[in-house]
Amino acid sequence: DVVMTQSPLSLPVTLGQPASISCRSSQSLVYSDGNTYLTWFQQRPGQSPRRLLYKVSNRDSGVPDRFSGSGSGTDFTLKISRVEAEDVGVYYCMQGTHWPHTFGQGTKLEIK
Amino acid sequence: EVQLMESGGGLVQPGGSLRLSCAASGFAFSGYWMSWVRQAAGKGLEWVANINQDGSEKHYVDSVKGRFTISRDNAKNSLFLQVNSLRAEDTAVYYCARDAAGSGWFYWGQGTLVTVSS
Repeated sequence: DVVMTQSPLSLPVTLGQPASISCRSSQSLVYSDGNTYLTWFQQRPGQSPRRLLYKVSNRDSGVPDRFSGSGSGTDFTLKISRVEAEDVGVYYCMQGTHWPHTFGQGTKLEIK
Repeated sequence: EVQLMESGGGLVQPGGSLRLSCAASGFAFSGYWMSWVRQAAGKGLEWVANINQDGSEKHYVDSVKGRFTISRDNAKNSLFLQVNSLRAEDTAVYYCARDAAGSGWFYWGQGTLVTVSS
């Protein structure tokens, strides 16, 4: 199975400051169709997961533009330009290129 | 509005069985792959199984193969997960979600809790 490794696992951030989460995969996530199926989810406390970004950098509807995704191959990053209180939660990367689809361990973002 | 509503969870002894259901509404259910994703308390997410539009193709994570069966009833806009030979490590919230062709799941239910304990 493809192993997804996130860092850091805990991310204390001051309100208004930027935040960055790294996600590395054990194999390339480039699929035969040329797409890279790397997805980011946010899970707020007590809620179901919410998809933020798909195919590395495509933002879902309703997701603030302070969230952005980048990367290629095996190395990906989620960036929040200015953290707000509502961003508290756990962030997961997930690969959908290889079966089974696998998630990173999660990064817990908290306000410092 | 797309809605996914799971039911059927509960407390079951090791070795027991449950049938989880997911009622879908607000979209053309028969046109989408569907998945089950689970999350143990305080732990991360794990994709469990998915099924194609007509039920002819199914995939499972290795840890549940032979014990779990995913199915669907398009006439009733419903997704199911039959979970047998349950183990303590199957204890989790089970989410129903609509597949997005490799791009994870935009639509999720609220989850149903399965607890395996004697």
